[in-house]
Amino acid sequence: IVVTQSPATLSVSPGERVTLSCRASQSVSSNLAWYQQKPGQAPRLLIYGASTRATGIPARFSGSGSGTEFTLTIGSLQSEDFAVYYCQQYSNWPPWTFGQGTKVEIK
Amino acid sequence: QLQLQESGPGLVKPSETLSLTCTVSGDSISSSSSYWGWIRQPPGKGLEWIGSVYYSGSTYYNPSLKSRVTISVDTSKNQFSLKLSSVTAADTAVYYCARRLAVVGTYYFDYWGQGTLVTVSS
Repeated sequence: IVVTQSPATLSVSPGERVTLSCRASQSVSSNLAWYQQKPGQAPRLLIYGASTRATGIPARFSGSGSGTEFTLTIGSLQSEDFAVYYCQQYSNWPPWTFGQGTKVEIK
Repeated sequence: QLQLQESGPGLVKPSETLSLTCTVSGDSISSSSSYWGWIRQPPGKGLEWIGSVYYSGSTYYNPSLKSRVTISVDTSKNQFSLKLSSVTAADTAVYYCARRLAVVGTYYFDYWGQGTLVTVSS
C-alpha cells in the first residue's frame, strides 16, 4: 500500500489551525497512525487508530478519517509543534508503510 | 519507563554486513506484550520498516529487504539485533529500533530508540 502525504511543506504562523492530509492507495480501514519528528530526534507516536491520541499527547492534536483519506489537525499551532509529520498504515502487511512526511515550518 | 538504545559501527564498507544491536531497559524483552522492530530513515527522506521479532524468535521482514535481513533476539542480554548483508550506499540511513504492542491490530510503534547513523562507504 502506498501512502501519500500532502502538502510536502506547510508554512504557518503560531496560533494557526493546521490540517495535514494522508491518502492510502487502498482502504486501510482505521489502521493509520501519525508521528511527529523533530530534527535529530526519533519519531514520536501522536495518533493511532486514525483518531486516538497516544499517551501524553495534547488535545490540540486530533486525527480523523477512514478508508483511504485521513487528516491530522493541530488546533492552535505552538512553537514546539514545528516538525515533520508522518503517517503510517498498518492494515496490509508486510510491509507496513509510511508516507513521505509533511514539514510544518514557521511562516 | 521503557527505553531502547541502538549501538554498532557508524561506518560499513560496501558489500559487507551491517550489524546493530538494540538494548532494552525498563522492561523485559521476553515480555509477551511486545514485538521489537527496526526502522530506517535515509538522510532527508522518509521512514522504512525493516522487520520485527518476537521474544520467541519469530520474525517477519519487509519483502524488499528480506533476502538480506536477519533480526534476532538475545533474551539473556535483553537485546535484539539487526544484520543487513551486502550493503550499498543506498543502505546509508539512521537506523531506529522500536517497540510495538503484541496485540492484534496494534501495528504501530510507541517507543523508539534515539537512532544511529550508519554510513556505507569505502
